[in-house]
Amino acid sequence: LAKTTQPISMDSYEGQEVNITCSHNNIATNDYITWYQQFPSQGPRFIIQGYKTKVTNEVASLFIPADRKSSTLSLPRVSLSDTAVYYCLVVAGGYQKVTFGTGTKLQVIP
Amino acid sequence: DADVTQTPRNRITKTGKRIMLECSQTKGHDRMYWYRQDPGLGLRLIYYSFDVKDINKGEISDGYSVSRQAQAKFSLSLESAIPNQTALYFCATSDLPRQGNTDTQYFGPGTRLTVL
Repeated sequence: LAKTTQPISMDSYEGQEVNITCSHNNIATNDYITWYQQFPSQGPRFIIQGYKTKVTNEVASLFIPADRKSSTLSLPRVSLSDTAVYYCLVVAGGYQKVTFGTGTKLQVIP
Repeated sequence: DADVTQTPRNRITKTGKRIMLECSQTKGHDRMYWYRQDPGLGLRLIYYSFDVKDINKGEISDGYSVSRQAQAKFSLSLESAIPNQTALYFCATSDLPRQGNTDTQYFGPGTRLTVL
């Protein structure tokens, strides 16, 4: 099971780009990197998923270097509504021990 | 996700009581999951089911049991609740991953359980 490490918290001003980096040194060949967002008292919501290089959708971008030992979630021009906890997961087959970890608590400041 | 519903949304019970949390989904997904979340911690997997006849233990299954009554329904039971099972419980569903992707989970709104 690939363990992930990400910062506990981050602050950002509105309108700025936010980059949250996740380390997953023992990622396996068939593992995918997935990010979720969670607002207080709500279930997590899928943001983006990738295997290598760069993935972009309407919400975020995900950058994965060639060695895949880390990944960076990029949120362009954050707003107050982006204040949430962001979880990085390495998802492999079986899902027997999938854990979300503690995530990164992003606070967007006016 | 409104397609995944959980009942009840809040529950207060006493030590030793039997509690059942229910999850229903209209997404047509085969896979369903139960997680718990404790304050300041991430989500931990309790049980998961890949189809009606499949039940698997997750990371923290002790003290819990589940029932997959149908594709759309997955219930979590606490046979004899104890205070350290006080937590926020989430149900999730996912579909069979397409080629080139892996599991994407859709979560219900959660059940806040307090065991006194």
